[in-house]
Amino acid sequence: QKEVEQNSGPLSVPEGAIASLNCTYSDRGSQSFFWYRQYSGKSPELIMFIYSNGDKEDGRFTAQLNKASQYVSLLIRDSQPSDSATYLCADSGGYQKVTFGTGTKLQVIP
Amino acid sequence: KAGVTQTPRYLIKTRGQQVTLSCSPISGHRSVSWYQQTPGQGLQFLFEYFSETQRNKGNFPGRFSGRQFSNSRSEMNVSTLELGDSALYLCASSLGVGNLDTEAFFGQGTRLTVV
Repeated sequence: QKEVEQNSGPLSVPEGAIASLNCTYSDRGSQSFFWYRQYSGKSPELIMFIYSNGDKEDGRFTAQLNKASQYVSLLIRDSQPSDSATYLCADSGGYQKVTFGTGTKLQVIP
Repeated sequence: KAGVTQTPRYLIKTRGQQVTLSCSPISGHRSVSWYQQTPGQGLQFLFEYFSETQRNKGNFPGRFSGRQFSNSRSEMNVSTLELGDSALYLCASSLGVGNLDTEAFFGQGTRLTVV
C-alpha cells in the first residue's frame, strides 16, 4: 500500500518569501509525482509534474525529487496571497492509481 | 472543451439509504477515478475505471461500488449510508494510457451529507 505523507500545516509565509512544501513517499519504486493545488471549496488542479531526480522549474514554481531519500518538494518563489491554498503531493502510480498525500495548507500573509 | 461534470453537486441523505453519484469525463478520456475527501483523511482513492473495467480499487468496504458505461461516463454507488460517509466525492478523468505525466482533471465534486 503506497503512502504519501505531508505536513498538514498551515505553513505561513510573508508575501514575497519562498514557500517550501515537502512530502515523503513509501514506495521506493515510484517514478513520478504530481503537485496539485486546491483552493478552498474548489477541486484540485495540476501545477507540476516531476519524473527525474533533481529540479524542474516552471515560472515561480520549482519541484524537486530525490529518489534516494524518497522525498519530493515544491518551492514557490515570490509567494503571493493568491498562492494561499492546500497543496497536494501525489504519487502518479503509473497513471492508474494516483496516491495523494493529505495536503499542506499554505497561507501567504500580505 | 467541456470539463469533468459531476452531478449532483450537493446531496443530503439519511443513514441507511443509498446514493448514486455521476461523473461525465472529458471527451476522449477513458479513465475515471473516484476519490473521497474529508478534512481528516485527505483524498482517499476509491476506484478507477478504464474502458468499462475496474482497473484499480482502494481500501473501502463493499458498500462502495461503481461502474463505467461505454461512453466513459461513470457512476458510483454507496449503499447503507453511514454518518462517516459524509464527504466530498471527487471524480477525475484522464486518458488512462500513454505517458506517466498523463494529467488527471477533476470535477467540482459532489458534497454528500449523511444525517
